[in-house]
Amino acid sequence: DAGVIQSPRHEVTEMGQEVTLRCKPISGHDYLFWYRQTMMRGLELLIYFNNNVPIDDSGMPEDRFSAKMPNASFSTLKIQPSEPRDSAVYFCASSMGTGELFFGEGSRLTVL
Amino acid sequence: GENVEQHPSTLSVQEGDSAVIKCTYSDSASNYFPWYKQELGKRPQLIIDIRSNVGEKKDQRIAVTLNKTAKHFSLHITETQPEDSAVYFCAAGDGNKLVFGAGTILRVKS
Repeated sequence: DAGVIQSPRHEVTEMGQEVTLRCKPISGHDYLFWYRQTMMRGLELLIYFNNNVPIDDSGMPEDRFSAKMPNASFSTLKIQPSEPRDSAVYFCASSMGTGELFFGEGSRLTVL
Repeated sequence: GENVEQHPSTLSVQEGDSAVIKCTYSDSASNYFPWYKQELGKRPQLIIDIRSNVGEKKDQRIAVTLNKTAKHFSLHITETQPEDSAVYFCAAGDGNKLVFGAGTILRVKS
């Protein structure tokens, strides 16, 4: 398996624009997680899904953030409108529910 | 909710020496404690984990210990090598919802 695949790897956008980050989990993994990493706040769990259903979205910062998982092989994290404080590396990870998280390479977002 | 504190924030050791990183957690319901290594610009990767029914686990030069009563766990790396230089994160949770520590930058000087 190619591992967890994220796109884009880098995104530079202007404040107010919509940003969509994409993730393809490892086939057979029924848990999917979105994390955000910054120097100030470290690795924060934003939301996670089990069998495509959102289980816990308590880490989503505010209504500007939304996440979907329309099927077992695809998820999106959307920020609308984006703000400079959203600049971070966003990681998607998947697991079989046994504990180990397999992270993607991350999407580095810069909001000007 | 769970809160994880990790110390030290930076650690510098000489090649061949041992390194110890410590974490404390707050939620007694947490039963899964992994450690991740993240090299510069790369993704975090699991290096070792321990579950609450085990007190110690070892994998070659890496070991983790868990004290449930005191709610703390530690990572021990022996015979450090330059390639061990990275950021190490501890985490605690129920196996799905993990809370990560702030990370420790380990530098191994050769």
